[in-house]
Amino acid sequence: SQQGEEDPQALSIQEGENATMNCSYKTSINNLQWYRQNSGRGLVHLILIRSNEREKHSGRLRVTLDTSKKSSSLLITASRAADTASYFCASQHTGNQFYFGTGTSLTVIP
Amino acid sequence: ETGVTQSPTHLIKTRGQQVTLRCSSQSGHNTVSWYQQALGQGPQFIFQYYREEENGRGNFPPRFSGLQFPNYSSELNVNALELDDSALYLCASSSGVMEETQYFGPGTRLLVL
Repeated sequence: SQQGEEDPQALSIQEGENATMNCSYKTSINNLQWYRQNSGRGLVHLILIRSNEREKHSGRLRVTLDTSKKSSSLLITASRAADTASYFCASQHTGNQFYFGTGTSLTVIP
Repeated sequence: ETGVTQSPTHLIKTRGQQVTLRCSSQSGHNTVSWYQQALGQGPQFIFQYYREEENGRGNFPPRFSGLQFPNYSSELNVNALELDDSALYLCASSSGVMEETQYFGPGTRLLVL
């Protein structure tokens, strides 16, 4: 399977704290993306980082990529209750095929 | 809202039956990918259609098949349903096979009894 791994599987934090989740993938990539999913519904694209980039920011999101370790991390700063969701990384390989990680379930406690 | 719609939203079938799921891509998008997401897992790539032709397939048996129509909407067909086919089925559209961003529909939740 091409599916990557994410850790932790579940994360529970207080509102205002930062949340960090990690992703590992298996083969070389064109880019890596992070998605959010609420309650088993559709995925929402959050941020993309290309294979030649090391760090990217978007609002309260910061993503890093280490291609030598085949890993990425997503940091959500100053978390809010509305950030409660599942977060998935997806590595894009040849063409437009994506391989998703196993996901991190984030709970932000008000 | 991404502009990608899927129908039906929920479906219950029995083992051995056949099912057809539908996806309307976002306006201007000619590429549709289908994913299966089992409970508690990440989405798994089933296949992709580009301009009415299959353009890549994941590790799924032939009883999973698809179509893409001239208006770029798409169908996913599953024959001889098995209990393990119970999952959320997601489609995603993009404006080309090399496009980096996919836009996901809300999914169809299939339960096989």
